[in-house]
Amino acid sequence: QKEVEQDPGPLSVPEGAIVSLNCTYSNSAFQYFMWYRQYSRKGPELLMYTYSSGNKEDGRFTAQVDKSSKYISLFIRDSQPSDSATYLCAMSGPGTGTASKLTFGTGTRLQVTL
Amino acid sequence: DSGVTQTPKHLITATGQRVTLRCSPRSGDLSVYWYQQSLDQGLQFLIQYYNGEERAKGNILERFSAQQFPDLHSELNLSSLELGDSALYFCASSLGGAGAGNTIYFGEGSWLTVV
Repeated sequence: QKEVEQDPGPLSVPEGAIVSLNCTYSNSAFQYFMWYRQYSRKGPELLMYTYSSGNKEDGRFTAQVDKSSKYISLFIRDSQPSDSATYLCAMSGPGTGTASKLTFGTGTRLQVTL
Repeated sequence: DSGVTQTPKHLITATGQRVTLRCSPRSGDLSVYWYQQSLDQGLQFLIQYYNGEERAKGNILERFSAQQFPDLHSELNLSSLELGDSALYFCASSLGGAGAGNTIYFGEGSWLTVV
């Protein structure tokens, strides 16, 4: 079983739709949770960063973390064609201080159609 | 632009050969990470350095090695290359370690094709 599970999609939605992307994880040591966006053959770009459980909003993006269920979500409101990309969830640890890494989900490919 | 610079952007080489990928981290960042991304797989962590010292190791093959130099740039050496090593190799950097809540920024990657 992988430490982080993410539905690979592809997920196709019409412009203006609300998109829900999700990841589950098994390692309770994870503390920091991130969402990255990756356009084809480009480097991942950090979208959202949250610590522990709760919600965080940034413009059209909302990240939710439920540590009790080991479940994180990213919501995209009013989706645009420019949101078409692969979305990767990532979690830090196990490890503390200067010795640690990010563990990624496999990514969900999102396509927003006109 | 994340501020992480990787060279070369693309390279094609034959099986059995050796290549070196280079990474310059963001100004002020002390941690460097290397990740491999194959077509059908997600980002696989290879290795992390902090201020010149190896700090975390992932699924890095024995044919691969890395180092971080005093000026903080890093190199990933891939030897005895096989067709299956064809992938995007990403370098990332952060001020400290990911476990301390530091943001990790990725470069644009080096696309390696082994023929």
